[in-house]
Amino acid sequence: DAKTTQPTSMDCAEGRAANLPCNHSTISGNEYVYWYRQIHSQGPQYIIHGLKNNETNEMASLIITEDRKSSTLILPHATLRDTAVYYCIVRASSGAGSYQLTFGKGTKLSVIP
Amino acid sequence: NAGVMQNPRHLVRRRGQEARLRCSPMKGHSHVYWYRQLPEEGLKFMVYLQKENIIDESGMPKERFSAEFPKEGPSILRIQQVVRGDSAAYFCASSPPTGIKDTQYFGPGTRLTVL
Repeated sequence: DAKTTQPTSMDCAEGRAANLPCNHSTISGNEYVYWYRQIHSQGPQYIIHGLKNNETNEMASLIITEDRKSSTLILPHATLRDTAVYYCIVRASSGAGSYQLTFGKGTKLSVIP
Repeated sequence: NAGVMQNPRHLVRRRGQEARLRCSPMKGHSHVYWYRQLPEEGLKFMVYLQKENIIDESGMPKERFSAEFPKEGPSILRIQQVVRGDSAAYFCASSPPTGIKDTQYFGPGTRLTVL
């Protein structure tokens, strides 16, 4: 799986949009971009994933650049409960090891009142 | 729709004892994954199972660790003769057997403390 690079930490004011970047310059054509978050010591929570097109769900939006070498997770109106470590994961859609999620260090997002 | 269930949530064992961690996947899910998170580290894949089959155990330590997912009942991660280095959070995830978009959903984890 391609390696991802994320900032170590970010702050966001409550009510503002949180934009979390991720670089995945070695991503392959069949690899998806997944985002999970881990609040304190809870189990990771699935947020969103995408292949080429931008995606939106009730939690967030995922913007993938045209060359697919980077992406941005957008939380449109951050709340204090969004304080967590956010993981950007690149994962193949098939083949050996495609089911393994490789968690890096992620970005620690702090939402500030 | 109940999520992934893990029990116990907290488990304390003395060195040399056995630890058994249980995971019940989400309804309709037949694939189970175990991950371990050591203190201050990210999650590491351990093993991937389908009913009665171990598909990939490449992340499992060679000794003392085993996993199963029987035809009936929860998946079990078993650690024999635990050592202090086994203290960690163990997370189970499950996914539906739909192939490409088999998103993994995680349980709350079991926190193992070895005294």
